Amino acid sequence: NAGVTQTPKFQVLKTGQSMTLQCAQDMNHNSMYWYRQDPGMGLRLIYYSASEGTTDKGEVPNGYNVSRLNKREFSLRLESAAPSQTSVYFCASSEDVSPLHFGNGTRLTVT
Amino acid sequence: DAKTTQPPSMDCAEGRAANLPCNHSTISGNEYVYWYRQIHSQGPQYIIHGLKNNETNEMASLIITEDRKSSTLILPHATLRDTAVYYCIVRVGNRDDKIIFGKGTRLHILP
Repeated sequence: NAGVTQTPKFQVLKTGQSMTLQCAQDMNHNSMYWYRQDPGMGLRLIYYSASEGTTDKGEVPNGYNVSRLNKREFSLRLESAAPSQTSVYFCASSEDVSPLHFGNGTRLTVT
Repeated sequence: DAKTTQPPSMDCAEGRAANLPCNHSTISGNEYVYWYRQIHSQGPQYIIHGLKNNETNEMASLIITEDRKSSTLILPHATLRDTAVYYCIVRVGNRDDKIIFGKGTRLHILP
């Protein structure tokens, strides 16, 4: 039982490049979340999805797009990366009152 | 904005009980209190949650005041491995929860 799997673990991008962060969960959870964490800071919600095919903005959605194509996967896309998007990105999933389960994060550096 | 307020940092001697406070004065009747911790840059780890009764598990105890406006997480015998950032959040537990984290409390366990 892998839980929440994020790929890649590390990525370096140049300003203006695009990339997609992948997240998959095997717990049959309906709700999935993307957070970013800057050095020394707390977690900030980027987007979340209550179920397959639905997504909603979080606290800091600008510069990102998401896709929830099926129940298992929730991807985060940076269309034109900026240095301000250098951060650690965490994906999480949950079901009703069950706790959030987090992945191990993707460490992204934009130069 | 986060619905919870926590002190930015606390110290605790190894072997003593660590008591971490959290204020959630605007909590609704159907919102649960959850605690997570984050060690280094790993994904946050679930500790405990409760609605109105006190709760205990193998990791910690959660004490919720009668008016539910604040709570305390208790680590009964702190060890060096408990050094982490601890987050208190409130959420309803619905599928479409917008789960917002605050900045948490950085707990230092002193040898």
